[in-house]
Amino acid sequence: NAGVMQNPRHLVRRRGQEARLRCSPMKGHSHVYWYRQLPEEGLKFMVYLQKENIIDESGMPKERFSAEFPKEGPSILRIQQVVRGDSAAYFCASSPSAREQAFFGQGTRLTVV
Amino acid sequence: QQQVKQSPQSLIVQKGGISIINCAYENTAFDYFPWYQQFPGKGPALLIAIRPDVSEKKEGRFTISFNKSAKQFSLHIMDSQPGDSATYFCAAIFQGAQKLVFGQGTRLTINP
Repeated sequence: NAGVMQNPRHLVRRRGQEARLRCSPMKGHSHVYWYRQLPEEGLKFMVYLQKENIIDESGMPKERFSAEFPKEGPSILRIQQVVRGDSAAYFCASSPSAREQAFFGQGTRLTVV
Repeated sequence: QQQVKQSPQSLIVQKGGISIINCAYENTAFDYFPWYQQFPGKGPALLIAIRPDVSEKKEGRFTISFNKSAKQFSLHIMDSQPGDSATYFCAAIFQGAQKLVFGQGTRLTINP
């Protein structure tokens, strides 16, 4: 039973490029959460999705960031026109329902150069 | 009001000693308080959690103490071991929601 899978593990993008981060939840999990961790800081909630629906995006920056969790395939966090300040570790977590424990993936470390 | 404040930022403890990490919150709507352990290059892993109707929860060497009136909770690691060296995060969650609010983290080092 594989855990939450995130890829790539490391991603380097030049300023202005697009970053696409993927998250495959654990088997049987239909709830996905994205968090961002800046260096030396705690994790900050970004967005909560169920299959084909965005439930809570209160932590998402208003511009350049978007997330989806299609009926088939992984959840995608997309960052358009990346800037240096987007450099961070992005973690995905999944749970089988809204009231059950969420498990975290190993994260994608985005570096913008 | 949604913040969770964690201290200390870093902590060094001798092997066999007790490690204590403290957290405080403001919003009384929080109803679940987990602690996460994170090793370098890894994602956070749930360590232990408590609900506000309980004052203490113990699992092995790990204990959460909860003071509802003071809106504070703490993690105690007894007989600390070098393998416990990691970053620890407290968190809080609202009833009916799944959005974790994390503290800033404590980098714990256990000296052999």
